Amino acid sequence: DGGITQSPKYLFRKEGQNVTLSCEQNLNHDAMYWYRQDPGQGLRLIYYSQIVNDFQKGDIAEGYSVSREKKESFPLTVTSAQKNPTAFYLCAVGYTGELFFGEGSRLTVL
Amino acid sequence: AQTVTQSQPEMSVQEAETVTLSCTYDTSESDYYLFWYKQPPSRQMILVIRQEAYKQQNATENRFSVNFQKAAKSFSLKISDSQLGDAAMYFCAYIRRGSNYQLIWGAGTKLIIKP
Repeated sequence: DGGITQSPKYLFRKEGQNVTLSCEQNLNHDAMYWYRQDPGQGLRLIYYSQIVNDFQKGDIAEGYSVSREKKESFPLTVTSAQKNPTAFYLCAVGYTGELFFGEGSRLTVL
Repeated sequence: AQTVTQSQPEMSVQEAETVTLSCTYDTSESDYYLFWYKQPPSRQMILVIRQEAYKQQNATENRFSVNFQKAAKSFSLKISDSQLGDAAMYFCAYIRRGSNYQLIWGAGTKLIIKP
């Protein structure tokens, strides 16, 4: 099936732990994005990558890190430096605002 | 800075009726794109409709249409013949032409469909 696969769907983390969220796509898009969604707010861009081995910080990159070693993959690591990591995380691919999204990953910090 | 405002946190409509969701935006750009995205309870965001600012004709996708008022910086979404499957969060978004990543999102409107 073509699309974007995010895993895990649900993740629980203890304070002080790093966690990595996976995003894999087979839509052959160059550009990939990570967004954070909180209740009552619009999506906020964490990181984006327009090509392999290159990525740029978005509006709220502090406490997060990414890599782009393959065109198909854009994992997001939520580090212990992220003060309020409990949120819904969305991965997307696309261009000029026309985006295709994964089903999201819900991270809860215990 | 560009902003997108959705002033209706929640709307409800009777099944089979028509509902309009509001969106206003602020920009000094003249060429841009506007979008409506839908996020159902399954939480996967999907694109509903797209409008290019240089086109005067309002975009339409089946039961979904927009009322694009460029001078007023208004971009409302009309859903005709509402169906239970239309229940979702709806997000309005803006991006300047030529930008690939600076998509600006509204806070969303929750649409409830009453059977």
